[in-house]
Amino acid sequence: DAGVTQSPTHLIKTRGQQVTLRCSPKSGHDTVSWYQQALGQGPQFIFQYYEEEERQRGNFPDRFSGHQFPNYSSELNVNALLLGDSALYLCASSLVTGVGYTFGSGTRLTVV
Amino acid sequence: EDQVTQSPEALRLQEGESSSLNCSYTVSGLRGLFWYRQDPGKGPEFLFTLYSAGEEKEKERLKATLTKKESFLHITAPKPEDSATYLCAVQVSPSSNTGKLIFGQGTTLQVKP
Repeated sequence: DAGVTQSPTHLIKTRGQQVTLRCSPKSGHDTVSWYQQALGQGPQFIFQYYEEEERQRGNFPDRFSGHQFPNYSSELNVNALLLGDSALYLCASSLVTGVGYTFGSGTRLTVV
Repeated sequence: EDQVTQSPEALRLQEGESSSLNCSYTVSGLRGLFWYRQDPGKGPEFLFTLYSAGEEKEKERLKATLTKKESFLHITAPKPEDSATYLCAVQVSPSSNTGKLIFGQGTTLQVKP
């Protein structure tokens, strides 16, 4: 049973560019959440998707956007990258009728 | 404002030296408290979920407890392979079981042989 799969594992982008990160949830899960984890910090909630709609959003600017597809997979898009966007981006999947989250291994984004 | 604070930030133990990690929280409505283990460069790995004060859960050398204001992760006779960052998170949602998680900053544990 595959867990949460994220791609790519590492990414280097230049300030001002745009980036797309991808996530495939654990089999059977229907909800996807995205978190940003800066070095030495705990993860910070970005947003959550269910039924292809954004259900909740954390304190992140509109440069951060997302999408969920009919097969429950999800994308995180970040526009106009800043140096401060460098972080580990984590995807977590869950079941809307249950509790508990399964995290992927993350995408390490470096903005130079 | 909902907040989670973990202490200490870093902890060094000798193999076999038991200790506890603390997670204090102030939230408007606790749905659940989660403990995760995170190895460098990896995603958080689920350890425990606690729902109500007085609840306790155990797994190998780890035991998690919950009160109305804090949670403890007790590590008994740790081994070097227990070295990792331990994250505490609370779920606050008035209407859903899949509300966002609010994380503490983590406690980095190093166990020396």
